[in-house]
Amino acid sequence: DTGVSQDPRHKITKRGQNVTFRCDPISEHNRLYWYRQTLGQGPEFLTYFQNEAQLEKSRLLSDRFSAERPKGSFSTLEIQRTEQGDSAMYLCASSLGGWDRGFFITGELFFGEGSRLTVL
Amino acid sequence: DQQVKQNSPSLSVQEGRISILNCDYTNSMFDYFLWYKKYPAEGPTFLISISSIKDKNEDGRFTVFLNKSAKHLSLHIVPSQPGDSAVYFCAAISGTNSGGSNYKLTFGKGTLLTVNP
Repeated sequence: DTGVSQDPRHKITKRGQNVTFRCDPISEHNRLYWYRQTLGQGPEFLTYFQNEAQLEKSRLLSDRFSAERPKGSFSTLEIQRTEQGDSAMYLCASSLGGWDRGFFITGELFFGEGSRLTVL
Repeated sequence: DQQVKQNSPSLSVQEGRISILNCDYTNSMFDYFLWYKKYPAEGPTFLISISSIKDKNEDGRFTVFLNKSAKHLSLHIVPSQPGDSAVYFCAAISGTNSGGSNYKLTFGKGTLLTVNP
C-alpha cells in the first residue's frame, strides 16, 4: 500500500498527557498537511509543509501543538498537556504540486485514514 | 465564519436516480474547488475538481458545475449507486490561478448521501 499512512489509528489518553501522531506521506509528494476534524464538521486546516519547511500554521494550532517534518519525509504532530477539547480526528494529507506555464497547479490532496484522539 | 457552506446535512435518493449535492462559498478569492468523499473510519478521498476558469467538469458518473456569479457549485452523480453512500465534502482553495501558492483547503461541513437500493 503506497498511500498516506498514519499511526496510531486511535489514541485514548488522560487529560494533561502528551501524545504524538506520525504521518508517512506518499513518497514522491513534496507537500504534507495536517487537518483536524470534529464531529459534524469538515476537516479544518492546521498546518502544512513544503518538503521540510513548515510554511503555514493555523491559529487553531496553539502553542501546545507542534509539528515537524525533519527530513522532508514523514511528519509528527505532538500535542502537549492534552485537553478534552483536543479530542478529534487528526488527518494527514500529502500532495505533489508544481508549476505549469506560469500557474501553480493544485495537486489533489491524498488523505490518510486519520488518527482519532480521545482525551478523558 | 463559514466560507464554504453545505446547507444540506443529508440527502437520500433512490438507486439509479440523480444525486445533486450543493455547495456555496463566500470568499471570492477561491479559484479552485474540489469534492471529497468520505466513508466512516476512512480519510476523505478525492473525487473531482474544477478550476474557476471552467464552469463544468465531468468524470464518468460525476459532474461538477460551477456558477461563479452565484458563488455556487454542485456535484451531480448519475446514476446513483448504493456504493455512493458516503459523506461528501466540498472544498475550496484560493490563489492557484494567480501564480500563488496557497494550498490550504477550506472545507464545508459535508452532506451525508444515502442511496437506497
